[in-house]
Amino acid sequence: NAGVTQTPKFQVLKTGQSMTLQCAQDMNHEYMSWYRQDPGMGLRLIHYSVGAGITDQGEVPNGYNVSRSTTEDFPLRLLSAAPSQTSVYFCASSQGAKLFFGSGTQLSVL
Amino acid sequence: TQLLEQSPQFLSIQEGENLTVYCNSSSVFSSLQWYRQEPGEGPVLLVTVVTGGEVKKLKRLTFQFGDARKDSSLHITAAQPGDTGLYLCAGVSQGGATNKLIFGTGTLLAVQP
Repeated sequence: NAGVTQTPKFQVLKTGQSMTLQCAQDMNHEYMSWYRQDPGMGLRLIHYSVGAGITDQGEVPNGYNVSRSTTEDFPLRLLSAAPSQTSVYFCASSQGAKLFFGSGTQLSVL
Repeated sequence: TQLLEQSPQFLSIQEGENLTVYCNSSSVFSSLQWYRQEPGEGPVLLVTVVTGGEVKKLKRLTFQFGDARKDSSLHITAAQPGDTGLYLCAGVSQGGATNKLIFGTGTLLAVQP
């Protein structure tokens, strides 16, 4: 079982560049979400989706866009990367309150 | 903004020692979860506690939800190197969606052989 798959694993960007972090799940979960993890701050919710075609903002949405065209995929887009977006990003899907996380994308913005 | 504060932030102990990690908030949660995260991986759910005062055991790990559902603790007996990792608590706020979790600040545990 693949579970939640994130790509890429590592990425380095220059300030102002754009990129998309990919997330796919094969568990047919309706709910998917994106978190960022920074030292001493735990995980903070960026955006989430309760089903295909429905997305909403989390705690720290600025600078990020999402879309949900299928149940399986939930990409996160950085339109103009900033050094403050240097972080580890986790995608998760859930069945009820149990979250299943991907292995993360470590992003550095120079 | 609801906050979940964990203490201690870092903990380095010898194999065989006991330890307790705390997760505290001024807010009431309808349920609380504990996750463990290993380097380079995402968090993995260990347990969910729902009822105030509830105690759950998972082998050498004991989890307790406070009576007022504002805090929780994780106690590890006879820690082993395999327990090393980042421990995160996460709460579901009252009236909130069950899958919108608020995560704690994390406790990094290192168990030395």
